[in-house]
Amino acid sequence: EPEVTQTPSHQVTQMGQEVILRCVPISNHLYFYWYRQILGQKVEFLVSFYNNEISEKSEIFDDQFSVERPDGSNFTLKIRSTKLEDSAMYFCASRRLANEQYFGPGTRLTVT
Amino acid sequence: RKEVEQDPGPFNVPEGATVAFNCTYSNSASQSFFWYRQDCRKEPKLLMSVYSSGNEDGRFTAQLNRASQYISLLIRDSKLSDSATYLCVVNEFGGSQGNLIFGKGTKLSVKP
Repeated sequence: EPEVTQTPSHQVTQMGQEVILRCVPISNHLYFYWYRQILGQKVEFLVSFYNNEISEKSEIFDDQFSVERPDGSNFTLKIRSTKLEDSAMYFCASRRLANEQYFGPGTRLTVT
Repeated sequence: RKEVEQDPGPFNVPEGATVAFNCTYSNSASQSFFWYRQDCRKEPKLLMSVYSSGNEDGRFTAQLNRASQYISLLIRDSKLSDSATYLCVVNEFGGSQGNLIFGKGTKLSVKP
C-alpha cells in the first residue's frame, strides 16, 4: 500500500538556523499539506499546495516558512530562522481527488 | 474562530465494551467529516469518513447530524488494540483547499 514518507524522523537544530523538512507524497496524489502538532496539543494546519502553488495558508505560516515541490516527487517545508516555539511534530499529508488525506510519519523538530 | 470540540477523556473501558465519542463543530458550512486515530507520538491515521446517512465499518459506526453540528463514533466489542486517541476532523472547504480542522482528541484506554 503506498504511503507518505518523511525525512528526517528527528531533527535537532539551534535557534536561528534554517531547516528543511522533506516529504514524498503518495505518487498519484495532487494536493499536498503540512501540519504541525506541538507536544500535547492538537494538530494544526500550516499550508496546502496544489498545481505548484500555495492554495491556502494559516496564520502560523508566516514569512519564515516556505514550501516547494522541486521535482515530481518531493515536497519540502523550509523554516528560515527557527525559533524555540517551532519545536513540534511536522506532518506532511496528501490526497488525490477524494477528500481523505493520508499522513506521513512526521518529523520531530527540536529547536534548542 | 472555527473549532472542533471533543471530550478529552480518558475513557477507560474493559475489553468487549461499547464506547461512544462525541464531537461538535462550529462552522455550519463544513463539508466533510472524518475520524482519525492517533497512537502516541505517531501520525494521525484515517479511521473513517463520516456521511450524513451514517456509515459503518466493522465494529465502528459513525454518525453525522448537520442540524446539530454533531458527529459521533461508536466502537463495539472494544479490543486492546483500539487504545489510542480518536480525533474528530472537519474539512471546511473542498477543491484545492481542503485543509483539515482537528479536535484535540479523545483518549481511549481498553483494559484486559
